[in-house]
Amino acid sequence: GALVYQYPRRTICKSGTSMRMECQAVGFQATSVAWYRQSPQKTFELIALSTVNSAIKYEQNFTQEKFPISHPNLSFSSMTVLNAYLEDRGLYLCGARVLGQANTEVFFGKGTRLTVV
Amino acid sequence: QQQVRQSSQSLTVWEGETAILNCSYENSAFDYFPWYQQFPGEGPALLIAIRSVSDKKEDGRFTIFFNKREKNLSLHIKDSQPGDSATYFCAAEVNSGTYQRFGTGTKLQVVP
Repeated sequence: GALVYQYPRRTICKSGTSMRMECQAVGFQATSVAWYRQSPQKTFELIALSTVNSAIKYEQNFTQEKFPISHPNLSFSSMTVLNAYLEDRGLYLCGARVLGQANTEVFFGKGTRLTVV
Repeated sequence: QQQVRQSSQSLTVWEGETAILNCSYENSAFDYFPWYQQFPGEGPALLIAIRSVSDKKEDGRFTIFFNKREKNLSLHIKDSQPGDSATYFCAAEVNSGTYQRFGTGTKLQVVP
């Protein structure tokens, strides 16, 4: 079956430092990877959409300078939260899918929970 | 700007009842609407989905009713079970190849 693994599951970083999180697709080719942040007060905020061989598209309020993303192949993507502060706390989710077919399922990982102290 | 809205933050039903979760959207270009189920500590998992060309989609105890003109849809869970207690997210997207926008979620509690 198709699975998405995210690691680490939980991480704590000091304010002003950076942390990297990874997303691994197993059992399918993750042509498209969307990174979301789920915080207690808000639903899933889309951070960016990454499609292999295309430019990464960031949503308003999220920038490459703050959340650089790498999507080097069809099974792996990573995102770094640079210079993390309290407002960056939350559950970061990776949703991966195969493109080229209408309305294909998005497979989500269990997320990386970021705590900033 | 919240493009997908879920009117209830929480819903409690008795075991055996039908739970109805509502969702509305703004962008008339949305044409695919998945519902996700999320348990604590887990990522969201696809439960059932409907395309805008249909007005109803059924899968076991789960049914989506879709009203394109009113831009709303609802998820009906028949014969609710305590194991259905979870947070349900309505999402929407424009075609494949784009991202999905999520509602704020409805936390369902099924009381035995």
